[in-house]
Amino acid sequence: EVQLVESGGVLVQPGGSLRLSCAASGFTFSSYWMHWVRQAPGKGLVWVSRINGEGDTVAYADSVKGRFAISRDNARNTMHLQLSSLTVDDTAVYYCARGVLGAYGVGDYWGQGTLVTVSS
Amino acid sequence: QSALTQPPSASGSPGQSVTISCTGTSSDVGGYNYVSWYQQHPGKAPKLMIYEVNKRPSGVPDRFSGSKSGNTASLTVSGLQADDEADYYCASFAGTTWVFGGGTKLTVL
Repeated sequence: EVQLVESGGVLVQPGGSLRLSCAASGFTFSSYWMHWVRQAPGKGLVWVSRINGEGDTVAYADSVKGRFAISRDNARNTMHLQLSSLTVDDTAVYYCARGVLGAYGVGDYWGQGTLVTVSS
Repeated sequence: QSALTQPPSASGSPGQSVTISCTGTSSDVGGYNYVSWYQQHPGKAPKLMIYEVNKRPSGVPDRFSGSKSGNTASLTVSGLQADDEADYYCASFAGTTWVFGGGTKLTVL
């Protein structure tokens, strides 16, 4: 069974940093692109970042470029998102999602999300 | 990276069909056959319903179908059921990034 479990969401002050993790199981992790998608309270889904299977190509939304960094550890079946220079607008549930194999689709499987709250 | 445009709401009675539109540009929806649709119930993670414009993942009922014309993609839900009441989001590949729509709240009357 495919499972994605996010962790690391906390309350952090503006300007702060934190690292989110996504633990994957039930599939060959290194074969799949992986994505982060966020959802502010009461708002819609917003794509944040993706990383390819080997971990050597990445992409970011303009709103997080230069502040967030995506990475993966295929030996540990884990993906990370390093968040820095956080603002209140980064407050959201952060979901990790598996890319659709062989297609440019986001999220044939999703985790339950982890809440990041940016507030003083 | 502007969000795709979806109507904020849609509705239909049980058994009826409803179509939700998703309008982008030639840089996203119109430029690639990589439009996906997601269903999200309150407090739950999104669920993939359609990918590559009109392909259904295993387990998704064939009551859900997708199409695209130019810069606008559409999701049609036929034979509406109570459990179809949810938020629906479209998303499109946009070259190196992805963009989501603002979401449509589907109400089953």
